[in-house]
Parts: sequence; structure tokens; C-alpha cells
Amino acid sequence: RKEVEQDPGPFNVPEGATVAFNCTYSNSASQSFFWYRQDCRKEPKLLMSVYSSGNEDGRFTAQLNRASQYISLLIRDSKLSDSATYLCVVSPNDYKLSFGAGTTVTVRA
Amino acid sequence: ETGVTQTPRHLVMGMTNKKSLKCEQHLGHNAMYWYKQSAKKPLELMFVYNFKEQTENNSVPSRFSPECPNSSHLFLHLHTLQPEDSALYLCASSQDVRDRAFQGYTFGSGTRLTVV
Repeated sequence: RKEVEQDPGPFNVPEGATVAFNCTYSNSASQSFFWYRQDCRKEPKLLMSVYSSGNEDGRFTAQLNRASQYISLLIRDSKLSDSATYLCVVSPNDYKLSFGAGTTVTVRA
Repeated sequence: ETGVTQTPRHLVMGMTNKKSLKCEQHLGHNAMYWYKQSAKKPLELMFVYNFKEQTENNSVPSRFSPECPNSSHLFLHLHTLQPEDSALYLCASSQDVRDRAFQGYTFGSGTRLTVV
């Protein structure tokens, strides 16, 4: 089983729509969780950390479900500029980060 | 300059060539990393340096040779590569190796390598 699994998508949504997707992780002892955003042919950039109680950053909401071992990202009021690949990143211990292969989101006008 | 800078941005090399990728960070971080990103695959960690010392080598073939002369600079020396080595090579840094698990990475913009 892969350490981090994501639905590759693509998720094609119209502007203004809400889009949500999950990521599952295999190590139940994982402590830290992140979402990174990667634009086409660019480097990954940290979008947000994911906290146990869930957290929001503007139009982005991240949730953590430890019991089912998944994290989610929800994007409200999608903008064209939200089109990107979203990487789920999990820290199974203090010294490692494991990356998912990414979920592609395309927002159309 | 700020952040993590990688050069060159693009590189095309033959299988018999020798080339080097360069990474420089201006964040005062002590840990630096090389990652390989192939299409539709997760990032693969190649090497980890913490305070200039290599702490991880994830079974990377010897045709990839890292060098870390100081905490701000990291090189990846390439020789006799194969076409399947074509990928985006990303450098990243963090305060130290443990901090990455809590704060994540800062990535450079990458070198897109094509081996012909």
C-alpha cells in the first residue's frame, strides 16, 4: 500500500463552484499533514498545514480524520487561478515527509 | 536574492555528458534536499544534507553524486545518465531535518532535465 494516496483527477469545475478531494495515508502514527500546490511546470509551494481540529485559510478548508486516516481539502468559490495540482504531504515521523502524486484541479470560465 | 534558487532551469544532456545542478538558499536553513519528480509520480527523495553532512541516500544510483560545500549550497553532479533519468529535479530546504516534519519545505523552481 502506498504511504499517501490521492485521486489524480482531474476535477473540472466551473468558476464559483466548490470542489473537494481527499487523500489517504497508511501510517496511523503520522503527526503532521500539509497541502502543497504545484502549478504546471513549477515547484510545489506550501498551501496550508492541516491541524487536528481542521482549519481554514480564506476559501480553502482542510480537515483531518485520524480514525479513517484521511485528510481533505475543500475550495469554495473556485477561481481560474486555483487550477493546479494539489499535493498531499504527510509526516509519518519526525524525520520524514511522504508525498502523494497529486490531484489535478481545473477551473473553467 | 531570497528563497531557494536553482540553476539551470532547463538542461538537455547526452548520456555521455557530465553536468552539474546547483542549488542555493538564502533562508538561513541548515538542511537541504534533492528530490526527483517524474510525471504523474510522487516526489522521490534522493539525498538529505543536514549541517553539510549527508544523512540520507535513498538508494540513488552512483551516476548521481551530491555535494554540499556549506549549508547554503547544494550540487548534484550528473554523469552517464539514462533517458529514464529525465525528470524535474527539485532542491528544497528546511531549518533542519526535523523541522521539515513540522514546517514543511521551501522548494526551488527546479531543473527540468532531459537526457537524450
